[in-house]
Amino acid sequence: SAVISQKPSRDICQRGTSLTIQCQVDSQVTMMFWYRQQPGQSLTLIATANQGSEATYESGFVIDKFPISRPNLTFSTLTVSNLSPEDSSIYLCSVMVGGTEAFFGQGTRLTVV
Amino acid sequence: SQQGEEDPQALSIQEGENATMNCSYKTSINNLQWYRQNSGRGLVHLILIRSNEREKHSGRLRVTLDTSKKSSSLLITASRAADTASYFCATDTRAQKLVFGQGTRLTINP
Repeated sequence: SAVISQKPSRDICQRGTSLTIQCQVDSQVTMMFWYRQQPGQSLTLIATANQGSEATYESGFVIDKFPISRPNLTFSTLTVSNLSPEDSSIYLCSVMVGGTEAFFGQGTRLTVV
Repeated sequence: SQQGEEDPQALSIQEGENATMNCSYKTSINNLQWYRQNSGRGLVHLILIRSNEREKHSGRLRVTLDTSKKSSSLLITASRAADTASYFCATDTRAQKLVFGQGTRLTINP
């Protein structure tokens, strides 16, 4: 199993600013995943973060908007830049254990005003 | 990209009744998983069924998988108020990336 500490749990931000979300895992993992969940919707994968290399972004997501850092095997950050109301969502980090089961942080609920 | 479709989108039942949720997907899979999400928080893994399995049980949960129809169902028996949550299926097709269905919002009424 894996325990993920995700911060902050929620934030209200002004449009045009940025929010950085942190995830700390209690064990070393190769890949960390960042998801967005828009209101009332399912989870959409933003990017996969690998230690020592640039993150791999899914279609529709770009590094300038969602820069990711992965300085070591237990930690990652996602920044949501130049915020607009459309960025209001829940953002979740996740790791896979045993190549199958996913463990999630508690999510960050972002509201952009 | 592939994404599971779930039905119903919302389900409301009385405590003690059984709840059934369905999931369909589009391409071949290695396994299919079900997750629960309480009040927009992190997801919790419930059960995994591999592509060569047809049925699996875990406590009050029963999952079936029909690869010929590309569909799965999750049955929760003897529902409780604490089962109120959103339930998502997720398929694992490539490099540990999960693709989630739209989810079913389950409400258990006392």
